[in-house]
Amino acid sequence: GENVEQHPSTLSVQEGDSAVIKCTYSDSASNYFPWYKQELGKRPQLIIDIRSNVGEKKDQRIAVTLNKTAKHFSLHITETQPEDSAVYFCAASSSGGSNYKLTFGKGTLLTVNP
Amino acid sequence: DAGVIQSPRHEVTEMGQEVTLRCKPISGHNSLFWYRQTMMRGLELLIYFNNNVPIDDSGMPEDRFSAKMPNASFSTLKIQPSEPRDSAVYFCASSFKGTNQPQHFGDGTRLSIL
Repeated sequence: GENVEQHPSTLSVQEGDSAVIKCTYSDSASNYFPWYKQELGKRPQLIIDIRSNVGEKKDQRIAVTLNKTAKHFSLHITETQPEDSAVYFCAASSSGGSNYKLTFGKGTLLTVNP
Repeated sequence: DAGVIQSPRHEVTEMGQEVTLRCKPISGHNSLFWYRQTMMRGLELLIYFNNNVPIDDSGMPEDRFSAKMPNASFSTLKIQPSEPRDSAVYFCASSFKGTNQPQHFGDGTRLSIL
């Protein structure tokens, strides 16, 4: 089955700096890669996703890049703000017929220091 | 849209008791997922349904766990008998059926088994 590795497990940056979180996946058939943000005690919320037919997607201060050859994808947050502090999860979806599911990375605790 | 609705939000019970968690997916979504989140194991997919039919239950830890989806707007996850190691946050998520469809999470049920 799919295996998703996420690094780093913790990341601390100063407000205004950029943050980068990286994930690798094992199943070359995976074709959908969402990122979720989870604040303490809250539910995971989808913040951006990318499909395997594109290499990059941007939404304001957040961008995701995908390298299918190397089987890795990354989340980039620019001009970080204290409210960006949360746990971020990457995931990969593989599909076969009607059977598809997300496999999540272990998460990155991002702390943005004012 | 009310989003995915889970109940109860918190459950504390003694070992050996039956626990039933409930989920109402977003109206119109026809895929439903049950996840378990712990510090040690992260977010794990337990089971998911397409059009009320269980597709993949390989993540269900053991026979003490069972899930049903009697109709498109309701699902239950049952643990009988419960054990302290079942303590976790259980999330339900829903999406439109098919690959590359974003999953939307409920607020979760925080389960503590004493």
